[in-house]
Amino acid sequence: EPEVTQTPSHQVTQMGQEVILRCVPISNHLYFYWYRQILGQKVEFLVSFYNNEISEKSEIFDDQFSVERPDGSNFTLKIRSTKLEDSAMYFCASSEGTPANEQFFGPGTRLTVL
Amino acid sequence: GQNIDQPTEMTATEGAIVQINCTYQTSGFNGLFWYQQHAGEAPTFLSYNVLDGLEEKGRFSSFLSRSKGYSYLLLKELQMKDSASYLCAAFLNYGQNFVFGPGTRLSVLP
Repeated sequence: EPEVTQTPSHQVTQMGQEVILRCVPISNHLYFYWYRQILGQKVEFLVSFYNNEISEKSEIFDDQFSVERPDGSNFTLKIRSTKLEDSAMYFCASSEGTPANEQFFGPGTRLTVL
Repeated sequence: GQNIDQPTEMTATEGAIVQINCTYQTSGFNGLFWYQQHAGEAPTFLSYNVLDGLEEKGRFSSFLSRSKGYSYLLLKELQMKDSASYLCAAFLNYGQNFVFGPGTRLSVLP
């Protein structure tokens, strides 16, 4: 059964460093998403991506964040200068059609900023 | 602002029925998702309601009332593996796009 994959499973970085989180969405899906979940808190939407551009983004997704689909399979989230409060689980998701369709989540990348 | 409320925790007995409520105050509301999230894992899709009424899918059913800003998830014939957090999330037409509730942690006891 196709699934969304994410690498790495755990990333530890120093404050101020850049990190790139990687995701491989399900191959025939057209919409891609990033969410984050700080430990013990609710899931928060970051950004949706369609047709090689950002479709929607939340207030959290400021200039420190960027997304890219560098090739036909990968979908990346870059945080330019990490802050302690960026420590969270980051989930990538994809859906076949519009965001109103079922979204399939990857297993997540746990980011720890020291 | 956009706001979604759910009870923090619920407990039920194996084989019983449990109803998890969700109320929302949002603008640009399009529909409502329910997800299941086991501890340390990613959310998995359960249902999506756009129209008012009840949608049944096996042991799980979801209800929506747009006029009341209210939804519930009904779980029947509870099993131990149903112990998890249940997240409701509003899908909005623009901007923030998805607003999640805090999740309801359900414990199923033998």
